[in-house]
Amino acid sequence: TQLLEQSPQFLSIQEGENLTVYCNSSSVFSSLQWYRQEPGEGPVLLVTVVTGGEVKKLKRLTFQFGDARKDSSLHITAAQTGDTGLYLCAGGEGNYQLIWGAGTKLIIKP
Amino acid sequence: DSGVTQTPKHLITATGQRVTLRCSPRSGDLSVYWYQQSLDQGLQFLIQYYNGEERAKGNILERFSAQQFPDLHSELNLSSLELGDSALYFCASSGGQGIGETQYFGPGTRLLVL
Repeated sequence: TQLLEQSPQFLSIQEGENLTVYCNSSSVFSSLQWYRQEPGEGPVLLVTVVTGGEVKKLKRLTFQFGDARKDSSLHITAAQTGDTGLYLCAGGEGNYQLIWGAGTKLIIKP
Repeated sequence: DSGVTQTPKHLITATGQRVTLRCSPRSGDLSVYWYQQSLDQGLQFLIQYYNGEERAKGNILERFSAQQFPDLHSELNLSSLELGDSALYFCASSGGQGIGETQYFGPGTRLLVL
């Protein structure tokens, strides 16, 4: 069974600080997606990474896919209160469904 | 706005009852996914339909069933409801069969079983 473990489960930091959250698996994925979910809403896709070692930037967010395509990280620089939310990673492989991590709940305090 | 609509937004019912949740996918999307999200279990994949046929099954209870109609909207039926079924139920859609595709989520239906 493929599993995606996200860490930390919960993170609360001050505005302006940097942070990194992780998504790890013992399985290889052909692609990995990061979603952000705000309270009361559905998850929204942030990025998809498909190549081992790939780095993608979305303003202050930097996503990296591990060389072996088993893990990924999300780094946020100078966090803002608007970054608050649940960050979910989801791995894609040769079946029809994504494998979802349990998420990292991020709170940015003003 | 993802383009995925779900009704109702909120639902309060009693144990033992049956409810139907409805989802309309984004225009042109052929796959519909159903998820359950509770506080202690995160986002749990229930089932996927592609162009009217069941494509993948996750942790869906036997008391739950779903279908996708010719116009591609989908319904999730929950029966013999228990307190533990209280959760947010999300529908998502994607363009094709789902392999590595982006899923677009609806706003969810919040179900409370009393």
